[in-house]
Amino acid sequence: GQQLNQNPQSMFIQEGEDVSMNCTSSSIFNTWLWYKQDPGEGPVLLIALYKAGELTSNGRLTAQFGITRKDSFLNISASIPSDVGIYFCAGPIQGAQKLVFGQGTRLTINP
Amino acid sequence: NAGVTQTPKFQVLKTGQSMTLQCAQDMNHEYMSWYRQDPGMGLRLIHYSVGAGITDQGEVPNGYNVSRSTTEDFPLRLLSAAPSQTSVYFCASRIENSPLHFGNGTRLTVT
Repeated sequence: GQQLNQNPQSMFIQEGEDVSMNCTSSSIFNTWLWYKQDPGEGPVLLIALYKAGELTSNGRLTAQFGITRKDSFLNISASIPSDVGIYFCAGPIQGAQKLVFGQGTRLTINP
Repeated sequence: NAGVTQTPKFQVLKTGQSMTLQCAQDMNHEYMSWYRQDPGMGLRLIHYSVGAGITDQGEVPNGYNVSRSTTEDFPLRLLSAAPSQTSVYFCASRIENSPLHFGNGTRLTVT
């Protein structure tokens, strides 16, 4: 089936550093979604992207919809302890009946 | 507004036992789905439903049954649990063309 590949799979950073992660696919997506999962909870939507080249921000988070429509990027500026968690990219397939997810990027922050 | 409610939060089963994971939403969402989350594999779709009386298979449906007799409820049944079904299970729902809302998960261990 269609796969979304996220990189890196894990990150260990210092508080205050900027973070970059990406998601790639062999197939074209018309929508890219970025979710965050806090420990013990379900994923929560951070940013939704609907157009190739689109750049969207949500506070310290910025996400981009790649021009090729086969990738997306998420950046976090000036990380803080509450940014810890797992970040997932996701995209709809089969007429948006199904949502497929990447493997996740686990972010750990050293104070 | 409770959102998506999953019960139980934790469950331990022995191989061969059956059980039902409950999911209820109070947002009048037509679409509901079940995912399982395993380390390094992200979230994988088990089954989904686009409305009462309609269900369909996702990426990993084997060993699981679902039904959708009401808009609010979407139970997931394991008829004969296997150790490979040890995972964290998430239920999610949405209205058309909107992002998924996730429950807080059920952590299942099969020994």
